[in-house]
Amino acid sequence: EMQVVESGGGLVQPGGSLTLSCAASGFSVTSNYISWVRQAPGKGLEWVSIIYGNGDTYSIDSLKGRFTLSRDTSKNTVYLQLNSLRAEDTAVYFCARGSYGSFDPWGQGTLVSVSS
Amino acid sequence: QSALTQPASVSGSPGQSITISCTGSSSDVGNYNLVSWYQQHPGKAPKLMIYEGIKRPSGVSNRFSGSKSGNTASLTISVLQAEDEADYYCCSYAGNNIYVFGTGTTVTVL
Repeated sequence: EMQVVESGGGLVQPGGSLTLSCAASGFSVTSNYISWVRQAPGKGLEWVSIIYGNGDTYSIDSLKGRFTLSRDTSKNTVYLQLNSLRAEDTAVYFCARGSYGSFDPWGQGTLVSVSS
Repeated sequence: QSALTQPASVSGSPGQSITISCTGSSSDVGNYNLVSWYQQHPGKAPKLMIYEGIKRPSGVSNRFSGSKSGNTASLTISVLQAEDEADYYCCSYAGNNIYVFGTGTTVTVL
C-alpha cells in the first residue's frame, strides 16, 4: 500500500525556519513525483511545490527563494524547508504522491503556525 | 497563476444530481487533459475522486464523473448521498511544472 506521512510542523516565530518531512512507503521517491500542498485555516488548497523522481524541483513563484525542496533517497523521504516564515504561511502542509497529473495518496498533514 | 474558479456552494437533495464547475483559462484547464478533483471532509486529508478529467481511481463510486468543455471542467455527483457532503476542489496542470487548485466548493445535502 502506498502511503506518505508528514512530520515536522510546529509553532515558529516570524522570520524563523522549519523543515517538514514527507516519508514515503510502498513506492520510491526516485521513480515518482511528490507535491506539497498547503491549506490555511478555513481556506482552500494551495499548490506549493513539486519534486520529480530525477530530483528536479519547482515551486510557485511567490514562494521561490523561501521554500526549498530536497530529498534523502536512502530514507525515501522528501523535505520542504521553510525559511523567512510569515504569518500568512500558517497552514496545514500536506504532501502527496503525484501520478497522471493528480495527487494520491495524501498524508494527514502537518500544521505550521507562525506567530510571535 | 490565479486559482481556478468554482462556485462557493452547491446543494441538492438525496438522490438528486449536482454539478460543480471549475473554470480556468487556455493556459491550464483548456490546454491540458490533466484536471483532477478532490473530496475533503472536515479535518481530513483530500481524497482523489477524478484524474485526467474523466477517469475514476479504483474504489471511487461511479456516481462521480468528470467532464470538460473548453476552459471549464465539471464534476457531477449523481444519486446524491449524505456522505457526499464535503468540500470539493479541482486542480489543473498549468504548464512549466506548476499546478493550480480551484477555489473550492462546499456541497450540502439537504
